[in-house]
Amino acid sequence: GQQLNQSPQSMFIQEGEDVSMNCTSSSIFNTWLWYKQDPGEGPVLLIALYKAGELTSNGRLTAQFGITRKDSFLNISASIPSDVGIYFCAGQENSGGSNYKLTFGKGTLLTVNP
Amino acid sequence: EPEVTQTPSHQVTQMGQEVILRCVPISNHLYFYWYRQILGQKVEFLVSFYNNEISEKSEIFDDQFSVERPDGSNFTLKIRSTKLEDSAMYFCASNRQGVTYEQYFGPGTRLTVT
Repeated sequence: GQQLNQSPQSMFIQEGEDVSMNCTSSSIFNTWLWYKQDPGEGPVLLIALYKAGELTSNGRLTAQFGITRKDSFLNISASIPSDVGIYFCAGQENSGGSNYKLTFGKGTLLTVNP
Repeated sequence: EPEVTQTPSHQVTQMGQEVILRCVPISNHLYFYWYRQILGQKVEFLVSFYNNEISEKSEIFDDQFSVERPDGSNFTLKIRSTKLEDSAMYFCASNRQGVTYEQYFGPGTRLTVT
């Protein structure tokens, strides 16, 4: 199956700093999504990107869909303590119009020191 | 804001027992999914479901697994004879026609097989 390489695996930053994480794939995806997961909770959708080259913002979050459709990055600006969590990228295929399953990266664990 | 709900939040069962995990997807959604996440690992696709039939299933989704949409609101995952390695968080997800690039997850059911 398709594999997503997500980096870095973990990050330790000070409150107020900016952070960047990215995902790459050997295969093309139609859509890239970024999720945040808190311990014991389900993934929460942060940003969805569905056009190659698209740059989208959601508050302090900015994400881009790579022009080759094989990569994406997520930036968080001016981090705050509640940004702590695991961030996952996910690529979405469209297998004939009835299946939009996601392939997930391994996640980036973000720790923000106040 | 509508959300995906799942019950129970935690299920403990003995090896060899049957379990049914329940989900209520967002009401106007048409595509349904089950994923699982073994502790500390990435989220993995199990099965997708559309128009009352399975669209795709992964290698993990063997003959011990089945899904059903018994009525207009519930979506269930049954594991017929649980194994120790089935212990994981199980997430239900859904997306709607026309906005298929946004997939929303439930809070998960933690399954512990002893």
